[in-house]
Amino acid sequence: SYELTQPPSVSVSPGQTARITCSGDALPKQYAYWYQQKPGQAPVLVIYKDSERPSGIPERFSGSSSGTTVTLTISGVQAEDEADYYCQSADSSGTFHVVFGGGTKLTVL
Amino acid sequence: QVQLVESGGGVVQPGGSLRLSCAASGFTFSSYGMHWVRQAPGKGLEWVAFIRYDGSNKYYADSVKGRFTISRDNSKNTLYLQMNSLRAEDTAVYYCAKEGVVQGVVPFDYWGQGTLVTVSS
Repeated sequence: SYELTQPPSVSVSPGQTARITCSGDALPKQYAYWYQQKPGQAPVLVIYKDSERPSGIPERFSGSSSGTTVTLTISGVQAEDEADYYCQSADSSGTFHVVFGGGTKLTVL
Repeated sequence: QVQLVESGGGVVQPGGSLRLSCAASGFTFSSYGMHWVRQAPGKGLEWVAFIRYDGSNKYYADSVKGRFTISRDNSKNTLYLQMNSLRAEDTAVYYCAKEGVVQGVVPFDYWGQGTLVTVSS
């Protein structure tokens, strides 16, 4: 199955740690990617290949993988981190597919 | 700096057609695969289509297969999406996005600002 499942929402207080999960049967065989999208803006890549951080992305963003679940962790959450977060995976070697999770709304209380 | 600028969105009646364009600059367009991604109002991201750097292979989401056609003109640094037989459920902001690694397909390292397509009578 190429579906990715995310919780619809996560809420944390400023300074706390937010964890957003993404589950999918194909994740043990494929890398996951994470995008942040703020209202009215295009998505921005924040994590690639499960745990790599692009240049310019704050160190408080990290990623991890365990079996069929990948996790985006935001340590020391700031108000500016409030956004929608989407996981993504792809397979271009067999039956081509690119899929996004349903998205998680992170609310900073 | 990399720029992707979409155009061509608008209001179209069900069953109608529309062609979107994505003008690219700031990178060697002919070396990278390109995607279209859409987002219905208040909904999540949906991958639509991908074309390899040289146009040799094209892939589509099942929801648009047979109705949409992705193409590119490397001499004009432009990506296209021809949308036919449009339905109300095709209403969305359409983004073009660049693959981040040559022939890697993912991740999408740059996105355009999006163009809104509204299918309504």
